[in-house]
Amino acid sequence: GENVEQHPSTLSVQEGDSAVIKCTYSDSASNYFPWYKQELGKGPQLIIDIRSNVGEKKDQRIAVTLNKTAKHFSLHITETQPEDSAVYFCAASTYFDMRFGAGTRLTVKP
Amino acid sequence: DGGITQSPKYLFRKEGQNVTLSCEQNLNHDAMYWYRQDPGQGLRLIYYSQIVNDFQKGDIAEGYSVSREKKESFPLTVTSAQKNPTAFYLCASSESRGGDQPQHFGDGTRLSIL
Repeated sequence: GENVEQHPSTLSVQEGDSAVIKCTYSDSASNYFPWYKQELGKGPQLIIDIRSNVGEKKDQRIAVTLNKTAKHFSLHITETQPEDSAVYFCAASTYFDMRFGAGTRLTVKP
Repeated sequence: DGGITQSPKYLFRKEGQNVTLSCEQNLNHDAMYWYRQDPGQGLRLIYYSQIVNDFQKGDIAEGYSVSREKKESFPLTVTSAQKNPTAFYLCASSESRGGDQPQHFGDGTRLSIL
């Protein structure tokens, strides 16, 4: 079955710097890759997603890139702000199954 | 506002007791899911349902049971057979199961043992 690895597990950046979180997946049938942000005591919220026929997608300060050949995808957050502090999860989905990474705790220091 | 409502927010279980976690959605989604979240781990699938009166086991179904009598509702029962129930439980839904379907999550129920 699908296995998703996410790195790093914790990330601390200074306000205004960029943050990059990377995920790898194992199942070449995976065709959908969402990213979720989870704040303390809340459920994960979808922040951006990408499908396998697209290499990059951007939404204001966040962007996701996908390398199907290498089976990895990344989340990029530019101009980080303290409110970006949260746990971020990547996921990879085949038609039948969505698997999640273990999460990255991002801390943005003011 | 459309969304997923989980209740209660906090729940305590006594030894040998079954407890039921509620999940209601008004998104008109066919598929619903239950996940367990433990510290430092990703979300692990307990059960999912593609349609009313149908549900399937996920990766860690032992000690749990579900029902899907209505499209809007997918309650999870944590039975006394689940020996380590302390966790954060998340309910999610999607328009259908399969393909490029984003899942929408509730705000979770934190279950602890008394």
